[in-house]
Amino acid sequence: DGGITQSPKYLFRKEGQNVTLSCEQNLNHDAMYWYRQDPGQGLRLIYYSQIVNDFQKGDIAEGYSVSREKKESFPLTVTSAQKNPTAFYLCASRKLAGESYEQYFGPGTRLTVT
Amino acid sequence: GQNIDQPTEMTATEGAIVQINCTYQTSGFNGLFWYQQHAGEAPTFLSYNVLDGLEEKGRFSSFLSRSKGYSYLLLKELQMKDSASYLCAAMDSNYQLIWGAGTKLIIKP
Repeated sequence: DGGITQSPKYLFRKEGQNVTLSCEQNLNHDAMYWYRQDPGQGLRLIYYSQIVNDFQKGDIAEGYSVSREKKESFPLTVTSAQKNPTAFYLCASRKLAGESYEQYFGPGTRLTVT
Repeated sequence: GQNIDQPTEMTATEGAIVQINCTYQTSGFNGLFWYQQHAGEAPTFLSYNVLDGLEEKGRFSSFLSRSKGYSYLLLKELQMKDSASYLCAAMDSNYQLIWGAGTKLIIKP
C-alpha cells in the first residue's frame, strides 16, 4: 500500500538535545512538506522540498533543519535552537504534475521536550 | 497579510445538518481545501474547490465564492464518527497552503 510513514509516533527528549523525525513516502510524489501543529493554531509550514537536494524555508524554519537526499525521504531535525519544540509534527507530500494539488499526510510525530 | 478564519467549535445533533464556514484572504488564490482531522491523527482530504459553486460528495458538500472570499463545508445526516476537527486551507499564488486553526465539531446523540 502506498502512503507516508513517520516514526516514531511519540518522542521524548531533554532540552538541549537535537532530535530527528523521519518521513518516508512511497507515493512517488515530488514535493514534501513539514508542518507543525499547536493547539488552537493552524498548521504552520516549516520547510518544503520540490526536488531532491533542494528545499525552501517555510514560515517558521528557525531552529529546524532538513535534508532531501532521496525522493522518498525528508527527515526533519529539531535543533536545540528551537525555543519551543514541543508540538505535533506532520509530514505531507503531493504530486507536482497534473491538476491534483491534494497533500497527503503521514500519521504525525508528537514531540515532547522537557 | 494572509488569513483564514473559521469558527473554533460547533455542536450539532446526530442525524442533523451542519455548515462550517470559512473566510480567507490570500496573496493570489489557487483553490480552497477542506480536511478532516480526528484527534491525534493526520488530516485527511475531503474536498477541493477552485471554481465558484457547490460540489457534492456523498454526505459532504463544499461551496466556494471567490468574489466573497468565502467557503463552507456542509455535512448532512451527521454520524457520531463525524466528530472531528475540520480544517480549511487556501492555496496562494505560490501554491502553498494557508491553514485555518480548524473547527472542532462535537456531535451529540
